[in-house]
Amino acid sequence: DAKTTQPTSMDCAEGRAANLPCNHSTISGNEYVYWYRQIHSQGPQYIIHGLKNNETNEMASLIITEDRKSSTLILPHATLRDTAVYYCIVRPHTGTASKLTFGTGTRLQVTL
Amino acid sequence: DGGITQSPKYLFRKEGQNVTLSCEQNLNHDAMYWYRQDPGQGLRLIYYSQIVNDFQKGDIAEGYSVSREKKESFPLTVTSAQKNPTAFYLCASSPRTSGSPWNEQFFGPGTRLTVL
Repeated sequence: DAKTTQPTSMDCAEGRAANLPCNHSTISGNEYVYWYRQIHSQGPQYIIHGLKNNETNEMASLIITEDRKSSTLILPHATLRDTAVYYCIVRPHTGTASKLTFGTGTRLQVTL
Repeated sequence: DGGITQSPKYLFRKEGQNVTLSCEQNLNHDAMYWYRQDPGQGLRLIYYSQIVNDFQKGDIAEGYSVSREKKESFPLTVTSAQKNPTAFYLCASSPRTSGSPWNEQFFGPGTRLTVL
């Protein structure tokens, strides 16, 4: 799986947009970008994924650069409950079970 | 409610004892996974299973064993051979994806194991 690089931590004011970057310069053509988050002492939660087009769901938006070497997860209106560690993962979009390789992620702290 | 359950939430054991962590899912998922997480670190894969009666080693399988006798259950045994067993253990499952474009993994709440 391609390696990802994320900032260790970020702060965001409540109500503002949180923009979490991820570098994945060695991503290959068949690898998707996935984002998960983990609230303290809980299991990770899926947020969003994409290949090359920008994606949006009820939780977040995912912006992938044209060369696919980096992406940004956007939480449009961060709340205190969005405080968590956010993991960016790249892996093939396979039809069989495959592992998710988690790095250390970005610790997002949302403040009042 | 559909989901993944892990029990217990906290578990304490003496050094040298084997301990089995429970993971049950009622999502009808084919694949199940065990991850270990140490403080300030990401998750590392221990074992995974794609179908009943079959499982594969992950990145850190030494000192662990699993079984998959039923689709809904994937217990993990931490043996005395595991040198540093104290950690947060997470179980996950995902549906079979043939004909489907992707396989989101759903995680349980985790079991925090402390070996004294």
